[in-house]
Amino acid sequence: KNEVEQSPQNLTAQEGEFITINCSYSVGISALHWLQQHPGGGIVSLFMLSSGKKKHGRLIATINIQEKHSSLHITASHPRDSAVYICAVALLIQGAQKLVFGQGTRLTINP
Amino acid sequence: DADVTQTPRNRITKTGKRIMLECSQTKGHDRMYWYRQDPGLGLRLIYYSFDVKDINKGEISDGYSVSRQAQAKFSLSLESAIPNQTALYFCATRDRLGEQFFGPGTRLTVL
Repeated sequence: KNEVEQSPQNLTAQEGEFITINCSYSVGISALHWLQQHPGGGIVSLFMLSSGKKKHGRLIATINIQEKHSSLHITASHPRDSAVYICAVALLIQGAQKLVFGQGTRLTINP
Repeated sequence: DADVTQTPRNRITKTGKRIMLECSQTKGHDRMYWYRQDPGLGLRLIYYSFDVKDINKGEISDGYSVSRQAQAKFSLSLESAIPNQTALYFCATRDRLGEQFFGPGTRLTVL
């Protein structure tokens, strides 16, 4: 079983729809990251959070530590939001903090 | 200019060849990482370095070696490339708060 599970794996929606991507993990973590990977391949960090909720523009990330679950929401989605969204958890392994990544959710927003 | 750069961006090589992928950063971060990404899999850690004298193996280090020539430079070498090392390779840095900054990636094909 993967330590980090994302759902759905693929999501297609119409412009303007509210989008939710979920991430569940099975171990104790020090932080959770949401990353965005565009079709060209580059990866950009969207959020790093260890509790509660963060908001940047139309993006909202929440985390529930007790339930080991995080969600990424996109409001008023736009075709430029089309990308792969990756959840990663920060674990302390042998005294060093390392990231364990989910497989990603491929989001397509149609105009 | 990008904070984390990788060269080359694309490389096609043959089985048995020695390949070096280079990473440079202008962010002044001590922590640097090499990851590989395969279709359908999350990013996996190859090697990481906390400073010039501290280099550590990640989960998939077999067949790879690294060199931290300076705080700003972290190179990944494939001593004798094989086809299952065909992948997208990312270099990343991490700041003291834990946020990660990724390079643009190197697409490597081993024939």
